[in-house]
Amino acid sequence: GENVEQHPSTLSVQEGDSAVIKCTYSDSASNYFPWYKQELGKGPQLIIDIRSNVGEKKDQRIAVTLNKTAKHFSLHITETQPEDSAVYFCAASKGGGADGLTFGKGTHLIIQP
Amino acid sequence: GAVVSQHPSRVICKSGTSVKIECRSLDFQATTMFWYRQFPKKSLMLMATSNEGSKATYEQGVEKDKFLINHASLTLSTLTVTSAHPEDSSFYICSPSGAYEQFFGPGTRLTVL
Repeated sequence: GENVEQHPSTLSVQEGDSAVIKCTYSDSASNYFPWYKQELGKGPQLIIDIRSNVGEKKDQRIAVTLNKTAKHFSLHITETQPEDSAVYFCAASKGGGADGLTFGKGTHLIIQP
Repeated sequence: GAVVSQHPSRVICKSGTSVKIECRSLDFQATTMFWYRQFPKKSLMLMATSNEGSKATYEQGVEKDKFLINHASLTLSTLTVTSAHPEDSSFYICSPSGAYEQFFGPGTRLTVL
């Protein structure tokens, strides 16, 4: 089955700086890669996703890049703000709603004021 | 994204009792429902997958007779933890999914005494 590795497990950055979280996956058939933000005691919230037919996607301060050859994808958050502090999970699936997501272990992002 | 509700949000029960968790997809018809479990400071682990009107498919290591899943309609699914024990204490999250999208409920915190 799919295996998703995520690092770092904890990331502390100064407010205003950029944060980068990286994930690798093992199953070359995976073609859907979402990123979720989870705040304490709440369910995950989708923040951005990318499909294998594109290499990059951006939404305001958040961007995701995908390298299918190397089987890795990354989340980039620019101009970080205190409210960005949360746990971020990457995930992979073979696409669509038919397959459950395989999650990375999460990155605790801490924004230092 | 879709509006997903879970009830109850928190439940405390005695060992040996059964607990039912309800998941409603308020504005989205979920052809597939995933149920995840999340232990403290850990990632989400897929428990089972169910399609509307069909029996659920359970992941390896998840007891189907202990975690009963009903997906009676496109907007409602229930997870019943039968004869709960302290080791079942966890955060349970439903995830309704369609052809290309997957959403998450707010989660239910189960504590078994």
